[in-house]
Amino acid sequence: GAGVSQSPRYKVAKRGQDVALRCDPISGHVSLFWYQQALGQGPEFLTYFQNEAQLDKSGLPSDRFFAERPEGSVSTLKIQRTQQEDSAVYLCASRPGFSYNEQFFGPGTRLTVL
Amino acid sequence: GDSVTQMEGPVTLSEEAFLTINCTYTATGYPSLFWYVQYPGEGLQLLLKATKADDKGSNKGFEATYRKETTSFHLEKGSVQVSDSAVYFCALSPTQGGSEKLVFGKGTKLTVNP
Repeated sequence: GAGVSQSPRYKVAKRGQDVALRCDPISGHVSLFWYQQALGQGPEFLTYFQNEAQLDKSGLPSDRFFAERPEGSVSTLKIQRTQQEDSAVYLCASRPGFSYNEQFFGPGTRLTVL
Repeated sequence: GDSVTQMEGPVTLSEEAFLTINCTYTATGYPSLFWYVQYPGEGLQLLLKATKADDKGSNKGFEATYRKETTSFHLEKGSVQVSDSAVYFCALSPTQGGSEKLVFGKGTKLTVNP
């Protein structure tokens, strides 16, 4: 079956530009997560949705980062006024429900800020 | 806060060698523990998991046992193959059921030579 998909797979932005990264979770999955993976590091949590509600955004590094999931399915991570330190792979993961703790990851979007 | 520490890489082995990648954790309560694998050019995939103390997770010849007394979840394989070359991440989920983010270690890169 279809897994988690993310688009674009690669994004190059000039410093100061805004970017939007899309995540399509597995159909029917209630929970959705965003992670940031810097080169040579493990993924770090950014934010978590349960359906359309954003229940945890404690990992967002600054107010330039914004995420939404308006209909409880597709999610968008937006980064305003990108900086070089935002360069990373952004991973999306989904999970069927509250009592199921395995997360299914997408291939990621590699963002490079020049 | 919760954290995961895994052995520094890179690790280079010959085919059929024995593999151990150490992982220890710090967490309150009773976290679930995971090993994820990232093959070259691919996304994160769950390799195995354990949800309570003394559980053993296993998959594709890999094993890991949840040791609460030593707060460890070491990954082992008796005979590695070239196809096992990948980056391995140890991770925890802070609570069982209804858990939110995954907390990852920094990853260990394994290279298996023929």
